[in-house]
Amino acid sequence: NAGVTQTPKFRVLKTGQSMTLLCAQDMNHEYMYWYRQDPGMGLRLIHYSVGEGTTAKGEVPDGYNVSRLKKQNFLLGLESAAPSQTSVYFCASSYPKPEQFFGPGTRLTVL
Amino acid sequence: DAKTTQPPSMDCAEGRAANLPCNHSTISGNEYVYWYRQIHSQGPQYIIHGLKNNETNEMASLIITEDRKSSTLILPHATLRDTAVYYCIVRVDGDMRFGAGTRLTVKP
Repeated sequence: NAGVTQTPKFRVLKTGQSMTLLCAQDMNHEYMYWYRQDPGMGLRLIHYSVGEGTTAKGEVPDGYNVSRLKKQNFLLGLESAAPSQTSVYFCASSYPKPEQFFGPGTRLTVL
Repeated sequence: DAKTTQPPSMDCAEGRAANLPCNHSTISGNEYVYWYRQIHSQGPQYIIHGLKNNETNEMASLIITEDRKSSTLILPHATLRDTAVYYCIVRVDGDMRFGAGTRLTVKP
């Protein structure tokens, strides 16, 4: 099993550009999450999903959109990237077991 | 959600037990205590969780006080690879709310 994978691993954007981050899990988990981590800080929840076709806002949802069209995939979109969105983005999945399994992260720089 | 308080940093000698404390004085009856760690810039890794009773797995032990207002994560024989940021999180279920954690440095 690959667990949780994230694509791409690195990306550099210019202000105003758009992009989509892909998260995939092969553990048949119901719940999926997107977090961001800024330097020296803990993770903050952006959006999450409790099942296929559902999404909900987390702590810091502004500037992001998500979609969960398939159970195994959770997409995070940035419609108009801003320098404040420079961060490391982590995807995670869980349930029915309560512990979350995290991906390796995507390092995004917005110039 | 209950708030947690952890020391910002701790040191431990290699081969010795590392005891990481966490205060969660406002924890409610149905909230679990979770521990995760993050090694360098990797994704966080689940360690252990518990509700009332002490728990042990292949990675660590979790000791929860009887009043559940605090807990201790124990790494019985710390190695250099255990150097990481350790997060104590109190949640019912669903998403984890990460604070600043404790930066554990294991020294030779």
